[in-house]
Amino acid sequence: EPEVTQTPSHQVTQMGQEVILRCVPISNHLYFYWYRQILGQKVEFLVSFYNNEISEKSEIFDDQFSVERPDGSNFTLKIRSTKLEDSAMYFCASSEASRRGYTFGSGTRLTVV
Amino acid sequence: AQKVTQAQTEISVVEKEDVTLDCVYETRDTTYYLFWYKQPPSGELVFLIRRNSFDEQNEISGRYSWNFQKSTSSFNFTITASQVVDSAVYFCALMPGNTPLVFGKGTRLSVIA
Repeated sequence: EPEVTQTPSHQVTQMGQEVILRCVPISNHLYFYWYRQILGQKVEFLVSFYNNEISEKSEIFDDQFSVERPDGSNFTLKIRSTKLEDSAMYFCASSEASRRGYTFGSGTRLTVV
Repeated sequence: AQKVTQAQTEISVVEKEDVTLDCVYETRDTTYYLFWYKQPPSGELVFLIRRNSFDEQNEISGRYSWNFQKSTSSFNFTITASQVVDSAVYFCALMPGNTPLVFGKGTRLSVIA
């Protein structure tokens, strides 16, 4: 069964450093998403991406964050100058159409120290 | 406002008991989708079901069943004859109109042998 692949599974970074979280969505999917889950809390929407541009973003997704689809297969989330409160599980998801169920990746656990 | 409420933070049952997880949603959209996801201890998000707002038929899949009632804005999830492997956090989610998924806070289910 097709799956969304996220790398790395776990990343530890120092406060102030930049991190790039990588995702390979399912190949025929057109809609891509990043969500965040702070430990023990709910899953929160960050950003959606369609047709090579951001289609929607939440209040969380400020200037510190950016997304890119650099080569037609990868979908990346960049966090500039990480803060302690950025520590969370970051999930990438893709869907075939805007109202279909999302397929989520296994997540990247980001720990900022 | 779009909102999903899962009032039960944690539920603990003994194996083979039936358990119902509650989900109440709010939206002004007439077209929307409802979802349930399972998050096992390993952390990934596993899609369980998608239901559109025009389809109020209840659904059964093995030991899982879902009761969608528009009159009470609820989309409850029942596990029959629970098993230890059902232990996980379960998230109800809403996709109002054409906007990204909004998750509830989740219900942690512990099934004790």
